Amino acid sequence: KAGVTQTPRYLIKTRGQQVTLSCSPISGHRSVSWYQQTPGQGLQFLFEYFSETQRNKGNFPGRFSGRQFSNSRSEMNVSTLELGDSALYLCASSVDGTNTEAFFGQGTRLTVV
Amino acid sequence: DQQVKQNSPSLRVQEGRISILNCDYTNSMFDYFLWYKKYPAEGPTFLISISSIKDKNEDGRFTVFLNKSAKHLSLHIVPSQPGDSAVYFCAASAMDSSYKLIFGSGTRLLVRP
Repeated sequence: KAGVTQTPRYLIKTRGQQVTLSCSPISGHRSVSWYQQTPGQGLQFLFEYFSETQRNKGNFPGRFSGRQFSNSRSEMNVSTLELGDSALYLCASSVDGTNTEAFFGQGTRLTVV
Repeated sequence: DQQVKQNSPSLRVQEGRISILNCDYTNSMFDYFLWYKKYPAEGPTFLISISSIKDKNEDGRFTVFLNKSAKHLSLHIVPSQPGDSAVYFCAASAMDSSYKLIFGSGTRLLVRP
């Protein structure tokens, strides 16, 4: 069974640009969550999608958005990039998102210069 | 507002001895707790979880203890092995917000041979 796949693995962008990250969940998993990891901050919840609907959202500015497709694949978009957006962005999938262990992808390392 | 805290950023243990990683939380609505392990350049991997109706859950060398009155949980690794060296994150979720996990900032465990 293939795991959670995130693309690309590494990305370098310039301030002011926008970026789109992709996440393919484990087959059969319908819940996809996104997290931002920065040094010393742990993992900060961005948002969760289930059946193409955003069910929960963390405390991030509107520059951070996402969507989920009918095949459960999800994308995350960050517009008007700032230096502070440099982080590891992790995607996690689970069957239905309710108190079940989430399986994480390897993440996308975004560097904003 | 850190609802989940891991106050020890690092821990060093001798191979064969016990590793104890601690986690405190403030939100009494949390009812499900998980531990994840993370190696560099990889996503977190699920280790063990515990529901608030239990005070202990064991899986091989890993045991999680939950003290609800103290809002404290701990992960015991016995015996510790060099391959256990990684960053460990505790996470919590609440029934009224069951689609997201709140993570601590992590504890880096180093098991010396």
